[in-house]
Amino acid sequence: QQKVQQSPESLIVPEGGMASLNCTSSDRNVDYFWWYRQHSGKSPKMLMSIFSNGEKEEGRFTVHLNKASLHTSLHIRDSQPSDSALYLCAALGPNYNVLYFGSGTKLTVEP
Amino acid sequence: GPKVLQIPSHQIIDMGQMVTLNCDPVSNHLYFYWYKQILGQQMEFLVNFYNGKVMEKSKLFKDQFSVERPDGSYFTLKIQPTALEDSAVYFCASSLPGDYAEQFFGPGTRLTVL
Repeated sequence: QQKVQQSPESLIVPEGGMASLNCTSSDRNVDYFWWYRQHSGKSPKMLMSIFSNGEKEEGRFTVHLNKASLHTSLHIRDSQPSDSALYLCAALGPNYNVLYFGSGTKLTVEP
Repeated sequence: GPKVLQIPSHQIIDMGQMVTLNCDPVSNHLYFYWYKQILGQQMEFLVNFYNGKVMEKSKLFKDQFSVERPDGSYFTLKIQPTALEDSAVYFCASSLPGDYAEQFFGPGTRLTVL
């Protein structure tokens, strides 16, 4: 199985602050990354995906990708308590839409 | 948005018994998936399924596991017989066809094997 590593394991930011989450794949066959958010006891919900080098922004969320290093990062500006959740990074494998997940970053936004 | 449902939310069974986990995918989706998450560990791919066939499966998809979707009803994961190490949360997902189609996940079924 591929290895997808996420850091940090947990992160605490104040309300209104910036949260930065990291993800790296060790498999060079990966060409697409997904970020999911999972509130406790709920389904993982897709936040953003990226496959091109560079940056993609949607509202308060920005995703970066460096394909040479297979590193992606998710940045949440103006963090809100409702952003508190487990953030999962997934790399798309080469066959039949198989997703390989990291262990996640638990984000806590303190009011 | 589109929702994937899973039934039951929690199942407790004795080791050696059979269990069937049910998934109600998004109505127009054609690809179906099962992922397994042991407590405290990352979610791992088990199997995907399209047009009545398993397309890809991982090493975690043991011989005791099977999947089917008879005539557009639930997409099911059957484990027979169960083992203690099958205790986990099982997530179902579905997607449209296409290499980069978004996978929509259900809330999971927590399986406890005693």
